Amino acid sequence: NAGVTQTPKFQVLKTGQSMTLQCAQDMNHEYMSWYRQDPGMGLRLIHYSVGAGITDQGEVPNGYNVSRSTTEDFPLRLLSAAPSQTSVYFCASSYSSSRANYGYTFGSGTRLTVV
Amino acid sequence: QQPVQSPQAVILREGEDAVINCSSSKALYSVHWYRQKHGEAPVFLMILLKGGEQKGHEKISASFNEKKQQSSLYLTASQLSYSGTYFCGTASYRTGNTPLVFGKGTRLSVIA
Repeated sequence: NAGVTQTPKFQVLKTGQSMTLQCAQDMNHEYMSWYRQDPGMGLRLIHYSVGAGITDQGEVPNGYNVSRSTTEDFPLRLLSAAPSQTSVYFCASSYSSSRANYGYTFGSGTRLTVV
Repeated sequence: QQPVQSPQAVILREGEDAVINCSSSKALYSVHWYRQKHGEAPVFLMILLKGGEQKGHEKISASFNEKKQQSSLYLTASQLSYSGTYFCGTASYRTGNTPLVFGKGTRLSVIA
């Protein structure tokens, strides 16, 4: 199994550009989420989804959009990139709360720099 | 609201023990623990669901005091491979297992 696959691994954007970070999982997990990681800040939740067609905001949703049309994919869109969005982005997936003994599986991350 | 982890950083010699604490101001449904090595993704260690439950993973174990909304991670007889940043993630009763809110992490360095 591939687990959670994120693309691209690295990206440099200019201020104002838009882009989509891809996340796909092949474990039939209901739950998927996006986190950003900045030095000294830990992992902060951007958006999450408990199933296809259902999404919700996390702690730091401004400037990001998500959609979940299939169980497997959960892309994160940056609408108009800003230097404050320079970060490492992680996608994570898990089973739903009905199978609460399972932890999250993280993708390998996307390192984004906005100049 | 992020759970609070302590200490922020700790340095150990091989064979020494360490305790990492995680506390929340909210009533908790579950606590997760993850380890992240430099430049890599976080890796799941264990999850605790009930008050007073303790789990083990090789020489790493954890406890969860539901009444105090606290969890502790115990690393015994540390090895060089234990180095990394440890994160706790918490879920409140309202949302069940999801979504997780993570602490800022505890950086653990094990030296020979």
